Amino acid sequence: AQSVTQPDIHITVSEGASLELRCNYSYGATPYLFWYVQSPGQGLQLLLKYFSGDTLVQGIKGFEAEFKRSQSSFNLRKPSVHWSDAAEYFCAVKYNFGNEKLTFGTGTRLTIIP
Amino acid sequence: EAGVAQSPRYKIIEKRQSVAFWCNPISGHATLYWYQQILGQGPKLLIQFQNNGVVDDSQLPKDRFSAERLKGVDSTLKIQPAKLEDSAVYLCASSSPRGTLAGDQETQYFGPGTRLLVL
Repeated sequence: AQSVTQPDIHITVSEGASLELRCNYSYGATPYLFWYVQSPGQGLQLLLKYFSGDTLVQGIKGFEAEFKRSQSSFNLRKPSVHWSDAAEYFCAVKYNFGNEKLTFGTGTRLTIIP
Repeated sequence: EAGVAQSPRYKIIEKRQSVAFWCNPISGHATLYWYQQILGQGPKLLIQFQNNGVVDDSQLPKDRFSAERLKGVDSTLKIQPAKLEDSAVYLCASSSPRGTLAGDQETQYFGPGTRLLVL
């Protein structure tokens, strides 16, 4: 069964500093890959997605993610974080065969300090 | 374009009571999903509808949970009777079968969720 790992439960970053959130998936085939953000008390908002093609994907709010097949990773990055980026971030994967579901990681909580 | 609508936003009930949640997907989205998100975890799929038919309900606890999408648009999720462990956020999402890229139909858009507390 497919799985996705977000190794960092909680990350604290200073405002204006760069950010990288890690995501690894377990299966050999290339899945569809997604990053969602969830602010407190809110639903999930899609930041970006990768299906195929260019491995560097641009998303909303200044975020980007890079797909690395050799590392089975899809890490999320932002060059300079803002206080409003404090939220929970979820990586999700879905394979386009069988009856595979969209599978989420356990999330990384991002705290921004002044 | 209006997003996915859900109501109520919050619900507090006692164990063994029943509760129902409502979801209206993005207009034109044929696929509708219900997820359960327990505190500290990622969302877990409960049930997936394609129009008014069930595609996947393998993770739905059918002894107490039920869902319907009678006219292929809005949907209700019911819990009867509720248990303490049902305390969670219930998220509704929708996706469209159309799109220019192969994976567009896999992109799910989420509502704000209903936060349920069972006492």
